[in-house]
Amino acid sequence: AQSVTQLGSHVSVSEGALVLLRCNYSSSVPPYLFWYVQYPNQGLQLLLKYTSAATLVKGINDFEAEFKKSETSFHLTKPSAHMSDAAEYFCAVSHSGNTPLVFGKGTRLSVIA
Amino acid sequence: DAGVIQSPRHEVTEMGQEVTLRCKPISGHDYLFWYRQTMMRGLELLIYFNNNVPIDDSGMPEDRFSAKMPNASFSTLKIQPSEPRDSAVYFCASSPTGAYNEQFFGPGTRLTVL
Repeated sequence: AQSVTQLGSHVSVSEGALVLLRCNYSSSVPPYLFWYVQYPNQGLQLLLKYTSAATLVKGINDFEAEFKKSETSFHLTKPSAHMSDAAEYFCAVSHSGNTPLVFGKGTRLSVIA
Repeated sequence: DAGVIQSPRHEVTEMGQEVTLRCKPISGHDYLFWYRQTMMRGLELLIYFNNNVPIDDSGMPEDRFSAKMPNASFSTLKIQPSEPRDSAVYFCASSPTGAYNEQFFGPGTRLTVL
């Protein structure tokens, strides 16, 4: 069975500081991995996805994530936080086949001026 | 592309009333998902369809909830009778086959049951 663990339900960073949101997955087969962002009062939007190509994946708004099979991790990073990055971030896993994504519980990112 | 469309965006109703939430998926997408999001329970998958057929409804909380997809461009989620604990944001998402299961979400319907 697949599962996703997001470490830290709330992360707070200063504007301009590094953003690091952690995600570990459990999957019996090679996974597809996703990061979604949810801004207040909006639906989820795809930030980036890993689909077994390059292990370092670049997404929108300078976010990137690195797939590390040995660590079963897919952490999300951004070099310099902006106030507009304040949102809820969800990691999700799937595998080949027509099954729904399994979402983590989300991490709320706060950015302090 | 208009994206996934949900209506209404906000719904306020009284306990015991019937509530119907609507969703129009992205044209050409084969899969449709209904989610519920609350502070306490996070994002929960309620049911999903493939080619208009319900595949897994194990997430539907109880018999008061029902979902239909009469055609490829329309789905409904109905709650009858509604209860205050049903208050949540309900999301619809769609996905095309072969897209590594990437899902495209609608803006959600915020339901408040008084």
